[in-house]
Amino acid sequence: NAGVTQTPKFRILKIGQSMTLQCTQDMNHNYMYWYRQDPGMGLKLIYYSVGAGITDKGEVPNGYNVSRSTTEDFPLRLELAAPSQTSVYFCASRSTGPGLAGGPVSYNEQFFGPGTRLTVL
Amino acid sequence: LAKTTQPISMDSYEGQEVNITCSHNNIATNDYITWYQQFPSQGPRFIIQGYKTKVTNEVASLFIPADRKSSTLSLPRVSLSDTAVYYCPRQGAQKLVFGQGTRLTINP
Repeated sequence: NAGVTQTPKFRILKIGQSMTLQCTQDMNHNYMYWYRQDPGMGLKLIYYSVGAGITDKGEVPNGYNVSRSTTEDFPLRLELAAPSQTSVYFCASRSTGPGLAGGPVSYNEQFFGPGTRLTVL
Repeated sequence: LAKTTQPISMDSYEGQEVNITCSHNNIATNDYITWYQQFPSQGPRFIIQGYKTKVTNEVASLFIPADRKSSTLSLPRVSLSDTAVYYCPRQGAQKLVFGQGTRLTINP
């Protein structure tokens, strides 16, 4: 399995340009996530999806859009790039845990992609 | 509102045992506690997960007291390659919320 793959690895955009960051996973995971990580900071959740056709906003969704037409793919769209969107973007996926007998469902590990480094000038 | 709190940074030396503690304010009954590791220029990587008591794998141990209000990630005999950022994300509904993490630096 390739796991979670992201393209491109690097990209420079001019202010106002648009682009799509691609994310694909081959593990048949239901859940997929997009995070951004600014220099020296933690990860902030942008959008997530619990299955094909279902998406929801995270902590910082403004300026981004997503779609989930298949289980494998979860692209992130930037419509009007701004310098504030300069960041490293990580995609992740996970499956639902088996859970403890009679207890809560475990939160299975999230597998992260290698990231896309985006600079907006 | 549930949140996690951990030290911003820690320093240690090769061969030492390192313990990183995370407080889990208002952790929900059904929430698991997970830890992730991130090396520079890479995505985070899952280390360990637990619900209560102690869990051990080939990488680390995780100690969770009975009240589950904190957890301690224990790295035995660290090496330079353990220099990384360690996260104890808060488990929200269907998602993880990552904070700033603990930047661990291992010195020779």
